[in-house]
Amino acid sequence: GAVVSQHPSRVICKSGTSVKIECRSLDFQATTMFWYRQFPKKSLMLMATSNEGSKATYEQGVEKDKFLINHASLTLSTLTVTSAHPEDSSFYICSARGLAGTPYEQYFGPGTRLTVT
Amino acid sequence: KQEVTQIPAALSVPEGENLVLNCSFTDSAIYNLQWFRQDPGKGLTSLLLIQSSQREQTSGRLNASLDKSSGRSTLYIAASQPGDSATYLCAGSNYKLTFGKGTLLTVNP
Repeated sequence: GAVVSQHPSRVICKSGTSVKIECRSLDFQATTMFWYRQFPKKSLMLMATSNEGSKATYEQGVEKDKFLINHASLTLSTLTVTSAHPEDSSFYICSARGLAGTPYEQYFGPGTRLTVT
Repeated sequence: KQEVTQIPAALSVPEGENLVLNCSFTDSAIYNLQWFRQDPGKGLTSLLLIQSSQREQTSGRLNASLDKSSGRSTLYIAASQPGDSATYLCAGSNYKLTFGKGTLLTVNP
């Protein structure tokens, strides 16, 4: 089956620093990748959609200058949280979708737990 | 705008019981409907995906149904086990996935 990895799985950083999270599709080419955020005991909130080689499309209310998304290749997307603050602490999950397989099915990574101190 | 609602928010059952989780969505023009499982602090595990042209999907003790006309899906779990304890999320896909808030299931031994 389609496998998506995320790195790191956990990261702790100090307020004001930037953190980069990687999302990789390991055995398929991901034409579209999605980034979600999940608050404790809440559902997943879509942050942005990125297509390979294009600028990401951000959902309403998501600061694009704070959450930088790059999808430079068909197997890698990165999310950079710039000048992180404690309120950015959350669980970030990526998903990927390719051209093969069930139409519109997304494959999810294991998530990254970000803690900003 | 798609909205997905899951009922109940939490459910506690004794081991061995059959149970049904409910999911409703407002926009019936979905491409597919997915059910996921999420364990505490973990990512999502895809359980079943029902395409818009399908009525149900089965995997082991799990059966998911889809009724687009009424905007509803159900996840049926047969002979529940303590290992089934987790949060179950449903999500409707209109190009983008819209998630419900989930049902926290606890199966007591």
